[in-house]
Amino acid sequence: GAGVSQSPSNKVTEKGKDVELRCDPISGHTALYWYRQSLGQGLEFLIYFQGNSAPDKSGLPSDRFSAERTGGSVSTLTIQRTQQEDSAVYLCASSLLGHSSGNTIYFGEGSWLTVV
Amino acid sequence: DQQVKQNSPSLSVQEGRISILNCDYTNSMFDYFLWYKKYPAEGPTFLISISSIKDKNEDGRFTVFLNKSAKHLSLHIVPSQPGDSAVYFCAAGGGNQFYFGTGTSLTVIP
Repeated sequence: GAGVSQSPSNKVTEKGKDVELRCDPISGHTALYWYRQSLGQGLEFLIYFQGNSAPDKSGLPSDRFSAERTGGSVSTLTIQRTQQEDSAVYLCASSLLGHSSGNTIYFGEGSWLTVV
Repeated sequence: DQQVKQNSPSLSVQEGRISILNCDYTNSMFDYFLWYKKYPAEGPTFLISISSIKDKNEDGRFTVFLNKSAKHLSLHIVPSQPGDSAVYFCAAGGGNQFYFGTGTSLTVIP
């Protein structure tokens, strides 16, 4: 597709369940980011993938959060044993090259997660 | 500790007037700065950027100013239009990360 695609667009889950969020970056983009936005908050960095390098996981809030990127393209963000404070919009973004090259990053429309 | 701050959560401006959105950052190593616009229920969309070697970048009605000594950037929209009503995020980066502010909700009153 032409833009960053995320699925599901909306997810309601029960506390304690695991969820998987998927991101298809723009074709050819080597860098992929996950952010989240909680109600009334800014965009919180979670994880960054750049090519075949080890991902920068410094933003993941706990060990319940993990992400992988298969084949340098599609990424999956997994949240285990979800808690109510995990409720947020999870935004994926991609850029042609890594940020340090000054490339613009393009966002998907987000996956809205509600933990009840 | 927030590395990028937008101290005004909201701003209202009359149509046709100038909108000025401000952003402060703490890390002098940041070398690239961006503004994003976000409508409700949509992902952020890129608006304008500036690198640290410049102090001004203009694109149509949108101008971004960078004051490196003050670690401050601002977005000017002139003339403001009702369709500009959205949440505006500034972002600053260095290395592998972008850091975003908490956003400023702009309302342009017709």
